[in-house]
Amino acid sequence: DAKTTQPNSMESNEEEPVHLPCNHSTISGTDYIHWYRQLPSQGPEYVIHGLTSNVNNRMASLAIAEDRKSSTLILHRATLRDAAVYYCIRRYSGGGADGLTFGKGTHLIIQP
Amino acid sequence: DTGVSQDPRHKITKRGQNVTFRCDPISEHNRLYWYRQTLGQGPEFLTYFQNEAQLEKSRLLSDRFSAERPKGSFSTLEIQRTEQGDSAMYLCASSFGTSNYGYTFGSGTRLTVV
Repeated sequence: DAKTTQPNSMESNEEEPVHLPCNHSTISGTDYIHWYRQLPSQGPEYVIHGLTSNVNNRMASLAIAEDRKSSTLILHRATLRDAAVYYCIRRYSGGGADGLTFGKGTHLIIQP
Repeated sequence: DTGVSQDPRHKITKRGQNVTFRCDPISEHNRLYWYRQTLGQGPEFLTYFQNEAQLEKSRLLSDRFSAERPKGSFSTLEIQRTEQGDSAMYLCASSFGTSNYGYTFGSGTRLTVV
């Protein structure tokens, strides 16, 4: 049970912004929203995470809905190197429980 | 620190053989995780350690799988009597024990059981 829902694939053009949506309607108040991306034959790479407020880093921005039931990963200017599978995940930590539960992610295709 | 290291990168074994994989996490991280990933799927959680204690195991982890993290540093994942269904990428990740921190993944060990 991935507990998040993402589109299977999205396509964008190089040098344009990309908005990757994620639904997490059953998220609890202490779960952080994490985004990772994975290139073929590599391990997932951390992109960004947040709890309630919007977050920015050098790779991307994360916009979190006020009710926290959805979020959007924003790549401001896509390059061909951004083509990857993007995973939106809830990271929970309660008692002894931990572990990111991955879904199938969104396969992002970047057209030159 | 060069990140999370996994060894070997590739392993081909015959069905019924035992295999062992090693993971060296980022030294400051107290948590270490193992995942398995098959083609076209997201990584599936197998187990995790906080220091040397194994705190959670997935129901996916059959009795043929065992993981250790002696002294809370590197970890090993052993699969006994391998089956063709065990063919997958085995990923290791490390982190601090708080949800307000990202995971760092290794490049994985690709296992092929023939």
